[in-house]
Amino acid sequence: DIRMTQSPASLSASLGETVNIECLASEDIYSDLAWYQQKPGKSPQLLIYNANSLQNGVPSRFSGSGSGTQYSLKINSLQSEDVATYFCQQYNNYPYTFGAGTKLELK
Amino acid sequence: QVQLQQSGTELVKPASSVKISCKASGYTFTSNYMHWIRQQPGNGLEWIGWIYPGNGNTKYNQKFDGKATLTADKSSSTAYMQLSSLTSEDSAVYFCARSRGFRGPWFAYWGQGTLVTVSS
Repeated sequence: DIRMTQSPASLSASLGETVNIECLASEDIYSDLAWYQQKPGKSPQLLIYNANSLQNGVPSRFSGSGSGTQYSLKINSLQSEDVATYFCQQYNNYPYTFGAGTKLELK
Repeated sequence: QVQLQQSGTELVKPASSVKISCKASGYTFTSNYMHWIRQQPGNGLEWIGWIYPGNGNTKYNQKFDGKATLTADKSSSTAYMQLSSLTSEDSAVYFCARSRGFRGPWFAYWGQGTLVTVSS
């Protein structure tokens, strides 16, 4: 199975700050990577697919980048509604696997 | 608009089985893949498998072979997941999620989740 290692596990940031979350795959996943946002008690919501494509309706302050085994999610100008847990997921190989999540809180 | 409506909370006894449902609307049920994903309390997400309702084909995460069985009813646009030989380890929230297969293997639409609690 492809192991997805996310960092940091938790993050505290101020409103308006820029935040970066990293995801490292145990092997090359050829940009077959998605990012999801999950708020407490809710289902995950797709933010980014194919490593850097913004899902329809997602604010442009979210962006994704990376290739090979290293990927990142960037949130510009952090808003209060961005408080959530973020997961990366690879779909290059079965079984699909997720990172353990990054919990983002406001400072 | 695409909607995935899951069945309600289940409280079940150890060693029993449970079948949860996911009713799809707003798109062609038979031309898309339905996936199931598990989220244990305080834990991350695990992919269980998918079913293609158009022909009933399935693909499972080996970890869930023998634990989960995926089916679909085309007449009601409903996907089902049966979990068998339940233990406390199976207590979790289970989500259904739609993908478009090779045209879009990511999960753009999710159900609201079904909480399964295994307890005597």
